[in-house]
Amino acid sequence: DIQMTQSPSTLSASVGDRVTITCRASQNINIWLAWYQQKPGKGPKLLIYKASTLERGVPTRFSGSGSGTEFTLTISSLQPDDIATYYCQQYNSYSATFGQGTKVEIK
Amino acid sequence: QVRLVESGGGAVQPGKSLRLSCVASGFTFSSNGMHWVRQAPGKGLEWVAVIWYDGSNKYYADSVKGRFTISRDNSKNTLYLQMNSLRVEDTAMYYCARVYGYSYGYFDYWGQGTLVTVSS
Repeated sequence: DIQMTQSPSTLSASVGDRVTITCRASQNINIWLAWYQQKPGKGPKLLIYKASTLERGVPTRFSGSGSGTEFTLTISSLQPDDIATYYCQQYNSYSATFGQGTKVEIK
Repeated sequence: QVRLVESGGGAVQPGKSLRLSCVASGFTFSSNGMHWVRQAPGKGLEWVAVIWYDGSNKYYADSVKGRFTISRDNSKNTLYLQMNSLRVEDTAMYYCARVYGYSYGYFDYWGQGTLVTVSS
C-alpha cells in the first residue's frame, strides 16, 4: 500500500502569511494527488487535483505543485476563512490513502 | 447541483450489524465510481471501500475486508455499506464520496456524513 506522510501536523500563521504544507508519498504516484480542506463538522472539500489543477470556485490563493513523491500545497496569503484541516490524498491506486492532515490556525 | 446524503448511522454493540445508505442526486449516478471514507472522532480520514460505476469491481481497506460490503443500486441512485461484526474501532463518521470518473480517482463531492458509534 502507498503511504502518505504530511507535514507539519499543525501550523500557526498570521493573516496574510504564505503557508506551505508538504505531502510525501512512499512510492511514485506521478501527479495523481489531490488536496482537500475540511472545516469542523463538515465533509471535506476538494481544492486541487492532478497535483496542481485548481478545482472550479476555489480561490486562486491556493496552489499545488509537485510530482512523483513530493508535493506541496501553498496558500499565498492566509485568510481567516482558511482555518481548517488540510489533507492530501493519492489516487494512483484504487486504495485512496490520505495524509494525516495539517491543522491550520491563525496566530 | 450534486448532492450526497448519508443515513443509517447510530449506536450499536460490538459484533452487531448496520447498513449505511447514501442517496445521490443532481448527476447521473450510474456514471461515477463511489467510495466510503470514514473519520474516527478527532482523527484523520481513512479510506474504507470503492465500487466501480457499474458495480463490477469492489475493493476494501484491510481493516474492514471480510466484514464490510459495498454495493449500489443504480436504479435507486443509492450507495450502500453493509457493516457486519462491528468493532469499537469502527466508531467514526462515515462519508460517501463521488469519484470524478467511472472507477477510482479523486473525490469531487462528499456527503455530510453519518455517525456510527460501536460501544458496549
